[in-house]
Amino acid sequence: GDSVTQMEGPVTLSEEAFLTINCTYTATGYPSLFWYVQYPGEGLQLLLKATKADDKGSNKGFEATYRKETTSFHLEKGSVQVSDSAVYFCAALNSGYALNFGKGTSLLVTP
Amino acid sequence: GAGVSQTPSNKVTEKGKYVELRCDPISGHTALYWYRQSLGQGPEFLIYFQGTGAADDSGLPNDRFFAVRPEGSVSTLKIQRTERGDSAVYLCASSPGTGKETQYFGPGTRLLVL
Repeated sequence: GDSVTQMEGPVTLSEEAFLTINCTYTATGYPSLFWYVQYPGEGLQLLLKATKADDKGSNKGFEATYRKETTSFHLEKGSVQVSDSAVYFCAALNSGYALNFGKGTSLLVTP
Repeated sequence: GAGVSQTPSNKVTEKGKYVELRCDPISGHTALYWYRQSLGQGPEFLIYFQGTGAADDSGLPNDRFFAVRPEGSVSTLKIQRTERGDSAVYLCASSPGTGKETQYFGPGTRLLVL
């Protein structure tokens, strides 16, 4: 069945470091892809999304490009801030209505 | 505007008891979803409503779990004879209902079964 795999955390970075969180998916079709973020004590928030191959989603300095050839949707940010500390979830929405989530990657940014 | 709201935010119950969790979706959203998130895991799909009807309940783990949405707005997730393994955060999401689209999540209800 469809699944999403993302790199395991926790990831610890210094402020202003470059961030990459890898995400790959398996699906029979061409799913829409999402990154959600969960800040401490808060609910899931949509960070960005892409609905077709080669689309780039971006928000708050984060970017991810839908790569059909590698079935990937890696999350990147050029310079992280302490306020980016959170858990990041990659998710895919294929033919049905159920989002398939990865297990989440915890990010801690230190000053 | 108001987002998805869920009540209660926390619920502690004893094994064997019955619980109800409530979700109030974004106004005008016809699609509503329930997910369950165990510690250290991503959310897992439970059930999807389009309007008043459960269009897909394939994620409900067993017949102790049931959900309703009688007027096509507020939904209630009901768990009978709770077990310790039911402890998790129960998330509700809604979307406009027009197709493969962004789902907007509520803050969740943290359920602890003692």
